[in-house]
Amino acid sequence: KQEVTQIPAALSVPEGENLVLNCSFTDSAIYNLQWFRQDPGKGLTSLLLIQSSQREQTSGRLNASLDKSSGRSTLYIAASQPGDSATYLCAVSPFDNDMRFGAGTRLTVKP
Amino acid sequence: KAGVTQTPRYLIKTRGQQVTLSCSPISGHRSVSWYQQTPGQGLQFLFEYFSETQRNKGNFPGRFSGRQFSNSRSEMNVSTLELGDSALYLCASSLVDRRGDTQYFGPGTRLTVL
Repeated sequence: KQEVTQIPAALSVPEGENLVLNCSFTDSAIYNLQWFRQDPGKGLTSLLLIQSSQREQTSGRLNASLDKSSGRSTLYIAASQPGDSATYLCAVSPFDNDMRFGAGTRLTVKP
Repeated sequence: KAGVTQTPRYLIKTRGQQVTLSCSPISGHRSVSWYQQTPGQGLQFLFEYFSETQRNKGNFPGRFSGRQFSNSRSEMNVSTLELGDSALYLCASSLVDRRGDTQYFGPGTRLTVL
């Protein structure tokens, strides 16, 4: 059964710092991996979708990589801003039915 | 283009009751998925509907059911509510397939079971 782990669980950085969030999964048989952000009490906002055949995706200050063989993905945030403060979740879509989410990394960017 | 909408936003029920939640996807999206989010279990996939048919189902008891209408709107029903059903229920829509397409989430329905 697919397990998704995100490290660290919480991260606090000063504004302007570059940072990396990590996601690992146990089964490499996946359709894709997605990164989301969730603001308190709100729904999820999709940030990046990486198909299984891709190695990375970029959107603005965000870059996500995927290494299926090692079961890892990273989300790189450049020049962090206070508005980036949120919980970041990764989710994998395995070949069976059950889409699996990590527990998330709670990011705080201090002005 | 309007986003995914969910109604109601907040709901309080008592044990044993049943509840129906509604989700309207983005116009043109045919896949609707439901998720449950709790502090203890995190985000868990409930089921996905496409063209009025349940396409995939997560590991939840039969008390959780859903349906999709011809206009792609979807409802989720939970019967015989238990305290553990208290959660944020999220709906997401995608063009065709939640596994291949970007999912767009609604704001959620916060269900409290007393």
